[in-house]
Amino acid sequence: DAGVTQSPTHLIKTRGQQVTLRCSPKSGHDTVSWYQQALGQGPQFIFQYYEEEERQRGNFPDRFSGHQFPNYSSELNVNALLLGDSALYLCASSLRATNEKLFFGSGTQLSVL
Amino acid sequence: AQKVTQAQTEISVVEKEDVTLDCVYETRDTTYYLFWYKQPPSGELVFLIRRNSFDEQNEISGRYSWNFQKSTSSFNFTITASQVVDSAVYFCALSEDTSYDKVIFGPGTSLSVIP
Repeated sequence: DAGVTQSPTHLIKTRGQQVTLRCSPKSGHDTVSWYQQALGQGPQFIFQYYEEEERQRGNFPDRFSGHQFPNYSSELNVNALLLGDSALYLCASSLRATNEKLFFGSGTQLSVL
Repeated sequence: AQKVTQAQTEISVVEKEDVTLDCVYETRDTTYYLFWYKQPPSGELVFLIRRNSFDEQNEISGRYSWNFQKSTSSFNFTITASQVVDSAVYFCALSEDTSYDKVIFGPGTSLSVIP
């Protein structure tokens, strides 16, 4: 049973570029959440997707957007990259009906130069 | 507003020592969930425990134990007879009942267990 998978593992971009990160939830899960973890800090909630709609959003600018597909996988898009966007981006999945624990992927390490 | 504080940034212990990681939280909600996660160098967050606000019973799981005290808004985590494999960053976290997946994490405590 595959857990949460994220791609790519590492990514290097330059300021002003755009990036897309991908996440496949754990089998049977229908809800995907994205978190940003800067170096030495705890993860911060970006947004959550359920039924292909953004349901909740943290304190992040509109440069951060996402999408959820019918197969429950999700993408995180960041436009006009800033140096401060360099971080580990974590995807978490859950089954909404059961309110059980979140399962996290290993993340995508994004470096903005 | 919700907030989680982990005052200990880094802790080093010698193998087989006991260690307690402190966590203090703030919330105005009466119903909420508290969590502990472990993050090894691989980066993946590993779930350790979830406790809801109505369950103040302490819990023990092998070498791990948790002390939840609503009166002091604390949810401390103790590792007994620490092992080198316990070396990781540990996060305490909080979520509201109605926003379960929106988890507020503390800054983390980096634990090093020295052989």
